[in-house]
Amino acid sequence: EIVMTQTPATLSVSPGETVTLSCRASQNVRSDVAWFQHKPGQAPRLLIYHSSMRASDIPERFSGSGSGTEFTLTISSLQSEDFGVYYCQQFNNWPPEYSFGQGTKLDI
Amino acid sequence: QVQLVQSGAAVRRPGTSVKVSCKSSGYTFTSHSVSWVRQAPGHGLEWMGWISGYNGQVSYAQKFHDRVTITSDASTATSYLELRSLTPDDTAVYYCARVNLTMAFDFWGQGSLVSVSS
Repeated sequence: EIVMTQTPATLSVSPGETVTLSCRASQNVRSDVAWFQHKPGQAPRLLIYHSSMRASDIPERFSGSGSGTEFTLTISSLQSEDFGVYYCQQFNNWPPEYSFGQGTKLDI
Repeated sequence: QVQLVQSGAAVRRPGTSVKVSCKSSGYTFTSHSVSWVRQAPGHGLEWMGWISGYNGQVSYAQKFHDRVTITSDASTATSYLELRSLTPDDTAVYYCARVNLTMAFDFWGQGSLVSVSS
């Protein structure tokens, strides 16, 4: 099983700042990484897929990068609604197997 | 518009099983797969399994492979997650998600709370 490790666990930030969240895979996952935002009482929301592709209706201030084992999600010009927990996720093999990181909590 | 609507909350005794449904609409069911994810209280997201909407092929997380079954019914565009031998640690919100053609989980159900308690 591929383990995804996210750092930091918690981040306290202020509106207007830029923040970078990190995710490391235990083995090469090429660019097969997605990022999700999850708020209490809501379903998770897809932000980024294939490492750097923004999902539909996702603002340009969200950007992703990386390949192999190191990945980052950058959120620029933070807004108050960006609070929540952010998860990275990888998939590999066929049929596909997925795994999530343990999450980074963003306190605005 | 794409929608995934899940069954309601369920309460089960330890040792029993639960079956959660996920009805899809707004897209061609057989052109996409569905995955199941859960979140236990105080924990993160945990992937449980995947099913092809095209041919019913499945893939399960190693942790659950001996007590989970994921099925689908193309005639009703509904996917099902059955989890057996429940313990209190299975108390969680269970989500289904559509898997798009780039293998990303782009649309999610509203979640189904399963509580396991004696």
